[in-house]
Amino acid sequence: TQLLEQSPQFLSIQEGENLTVYCNSSSVFSSLQWYRQEPGEGPVLLVTVVTGGEVKKLKRLTFQFGDARKDSSLHITAAQPGDTGLYLCAGYNSGGSNYKLTFGKGTLLTVNP
Amino acid sequence: SQTIHQWPATLVQPVGSPLSLECTVEGTSNPNLYWYRQAAGRGLQLLFYSIGIDQISSEVPQNLSASRPQDRQFILSSKKLLLSDSGFYLCAWSQQGLGELFFGEGSRLTVL
Repeated sequence: TQLLEQSPQFLSIQEGENLTVYCNSSSVFSSLQWYRQEPGEGPVLLVTVVTGGEVKKLKRLTFQFGDARKDSSLHITAAQPGDTGLYLCAGYNSGGSNYKLTFGKGTLLTVNP
Repeated sequence: SQTIHQWPATLVQPVGSPLSLECTVEGTSNPNLYWYRQAAGRGLQLLFYSIGIDQISSEVPQNLSASRPQDRQFILSSKKLLLSDSGFYLCAWSQQGLGELFFGEGSRLTVL
């Protein structure tokens, strides 16, 4: 059973377009993190959201945590080729271990120049 | 500053051979340590995590094992590799519960 479902799995867009990727679950999370991974490297943290309804902005990236803390979204404005990579959401399940971070399968984004 | 290193970076092993992947963290003490496996550039599957020496939790039944001989050293092992063990193995550490994970460079294992 996949705890965190990410969609879409693959996304190919042109430079300058906007996009949104989703991370959904039937479980409640204490916190949810978004990572970005480039080929052959380990993931790197982009943001952590903790409070239901929270919105965080990181330059052209906007992250939102659902009110019920079961889902999250990542919106990228005016995508650039440098945004290409695998975007992974990960969460600590509320009521579960504070040390067990579960990842979704990721959204592979390609931004074409 | 803290650093994490894992090795070897690339490994090609025959079926049935043993495995040892090592991971070391520097610049911090009492880290939480993790081993994840990633197949075909997709999501990360948690294999083991450890919140202290001799405190290792296994998440997936398999022919892999983990050990933590020192506070900042985490080792992933197998006595006999299977074809299905091929993948990209990532070691990571965090400083506290519910915290950010910092990943190593990864080890790509191909079992033939």
